[in-house]
Amino acid sequence: DQQVKQNSPSLSVQEGRISILNCDYTNSMFDYFLWYKKYPAEGPTFLISISSIKDKNEDGRFTVFLNKSAKHLSLHIVPSQPGDSAVYFCAASQSSARQLTFGSGTQLTVLP
Amino acid sequence: NAGVMQNPRHLVRRRGQEARLRCSPMKGHSHVYWYRQLPEEGLKFMVYLQKENIIDESGMPKERFSAEFPKEGPSILRIQQVVRGDSAAYFCASSPRNDLQAGKYNEQFFGPGTRLTVL
Repeated sequence: DQQVKQNSPSLSVQEGRISILNCDYTNSMFDYFLWYKKYPAEGPTFLISISSIKDKNEDGRFTVFLNKSAKHLSLHIVPSQPGDSAVYFCAASQSSARQLTFGSGTQLTVLP
Repeated sequence: NAGVMQNPRHLVRRRGQEARLRCSPMKGHSHVYWYRQLPEEGLKFMVYLQKENIIDESGMPKERFSAEFPKEGPSILRIQQVVRGDSAAYFCASSPRNDLQAGKYNEQFFGPGTRLTVL
């Protein structure tokens, strides 16, 4: 049972435009959500996070939105840059447990 | 400020051999987590350790796999009698002792991974 789902395996966006990556979850006990970025042959790098008490968190070009009623979160990158091309993983956790549950990832390609 | 270190980066084993993967957490971090990534999949939690203690091993296969984080030295993930299905990337992550500060709980920092290939 996949508790965190990223239904789009890939996404292509033109440089300068907005990239929107989506993530759905099924476990209502999750109360903290994170986005990681991963380049080939490297470990995931933390990007941005959001607590379930918020519906938006912004850090520079990256904004994460959380819709608890829909159990959905999204990552917005604007403007997109070629260096943003990577696999993006959505992850979730419960405050009572430290393990992260990951989605299967979305390959973002930003075209120059 | 060195990040999480893992070695070896690549490991090739024949079926039936043992694999030992090492992880040194970031300085000041006392929590270590191991994750496995199979091809075309996301990372799957395996085990969470603190110094000399296994806190949560709910993601570990029941047989052949073990993990430790001794008082001194790196954390070790050990796979005995490897099989082809063990071929994967194994990632270690660490977090600070009190990662509830500033609401940044569960922020884990990942190492570069060990790619295990079983022939």
